[in-house]
Amino acid sequence: NAGVMQNPRHLVRRRGQEARLRCSPMKGHSHVYWYRQLPEEGLKFMVYLQKENIIDESGMPKERFSAEFPKEGPSILRIQQVVRGDSAAYFCASSYNSQGGTEAFFGQGTRLTVV
Amino acid sequence: GESVGLHLPTLSVQEGDNSIINCAYSNSASDYFIWYKQESGKGPQFIIDIRSNMDKRQGQRVTVLLNKTVKHLSLQIAATQPGDSAVYFCAEDSAGNNRKLIWGLGTSLAVNP
Repeated sequence: NAGVMQNPRHLVRRRGQEARLRCSPMKGHSHVYWYRQLPEEGLKFMVYLQKENIIDESGMPKERFSAEFPKEGPSILRIQQVVRGDSAAYFCASSYNSQGGTEAFFGQGTRLTVV
Repeated sequence: GESVGLHLPTLSVQEGDNSIINCAYSNSASDYFIWYKQESGKGPQFIIDIRSNMDKRQGQRVTVLLNKTVKHLSLQIAATQPGDSAVYFCAEDSAGNNRKLIWGLGTSLAVNP
């Protein structure tokens, strides 16, 4: 059973370009969470999705950022018109339900660098 | 907003010694806590968790202690090994049906051979 798969591992974008980050959850998991981590900081929640639904996006900036988790395929975190401040590690986690106490498994992350 | 923080940003120990990593939380309504280990360039890895109706839980070489009175959490690692070198985060599971972990800043553990 493969773990949470994120790709690409490293992504370099010029200012103004779009960044698309992909996350394939563990088999059997239908709950996906995206987090952002700045250097030497903890992770910050961005968005929580179930299949085809955004459940909680309270941690995601209102502009330029969007997320989806289609019926088929990976979850996508999309950042439009990237700026230098978007440079960070973006982690995806998945779980089989959303109840408190259910372990979430993390991917290796995508490190976005905006030049 | 409320957050989870750590007392010590770095901790250096000798191989074979016991390590204690501390964490303070501020949301008294939180009922679930998790310790994660993050090695350089990797995603967080679950170590151990504890619910608020417990004050101690033991795993393999690790023990988590919860003191709700002072809102303090600690991770004890017995016989620390070089492979334990990593950044350790405590995370707090927010109340409600949705699961949004609130993370502390992390403590970097360095194990000296």
